[in-house]
Amino acid sequence: NAGVTQTPKFRILKIGQSMTLQCAQDMNHNYMYWYRQDPGMGLKLIYYSVGAGITDKGEVPNGYNVSRSTTEDFPLRLELAAPSQTSVYFCASSYSADRAYGYTFGSGTRLTVV
Amino acid sequence: AQTVTQSQPEMSVQEAETVTLSCTYDTSESDYYLFWYKQPPSRQMILVIRQEAYKQQNATENRFSVNFQKAAKSFSLKISDSQLGDAAMYFCAYRPFSGGGADGLTFGKGTHLIIQP
Repeated sequence: NAGVTQTPKFRILKIGQSMTLQCAQDMNHNYMYWYRQDPGMGLKLIYYSVGAGITDKGEVPNGYNVSRSTTEDFPLRLELAAPSQTSVYFCASSYSADRAYGYTFGSGTRLTVV
Repeated sequence: AQTVTQSQPEMSVQEAETVTLSCTYDTSESDYYLFWYKQPPSRQMILVIRQEAYKQQNATENRFSVNFQKAAKSFSLKISDSQLGDAAMYFCAYRPFSGGGADGLTFGKGTHLIIQP
């Protein structure tokens, strides 16, 4: 059972470039989330999805887009990379019926924009 | 909106000793869930322990236990017999009891725990 898989693990982008961070889960979780983690700031919610075809903004959505065409996949798109998007990105998933469980996290993507 | 505060950016403890990490939160809800996550240098977020607010009994998982004070909105983590492998960032997190999806975990800023051999 793979859990939540994120790719790539590391990436360096130039300012203005675009990229997609991939996230896939095989636990049939209906809820999926994208967080960013900046040093000393904890994790901030970027976008979330409660099921295929449904997405919504979190606390810090500017500069990002998401889609959820299947239950398993929840990619995060950066259209015009900026230095402020240098961060570690985490994808997570959970099952709505088991709210006490918390989340299953991916191993993160470290993104540097230069 | 809920907020989670971890007032200790860094803590240090001798191996085999006990350490307590503090967490306070602000919410107007009466039912919710609280969590402690561990993030070692590998970056992986690992669930350490969870507490349901409607349960009076403090949660315990082996060497990890919590002191949940609902009235004070306090949720501290106690690590007994500290081991070198406990060295990590520890995050306190809050989740509402019910929600339509806008129920993302709210995290504190973390406490960096150092274990001295």
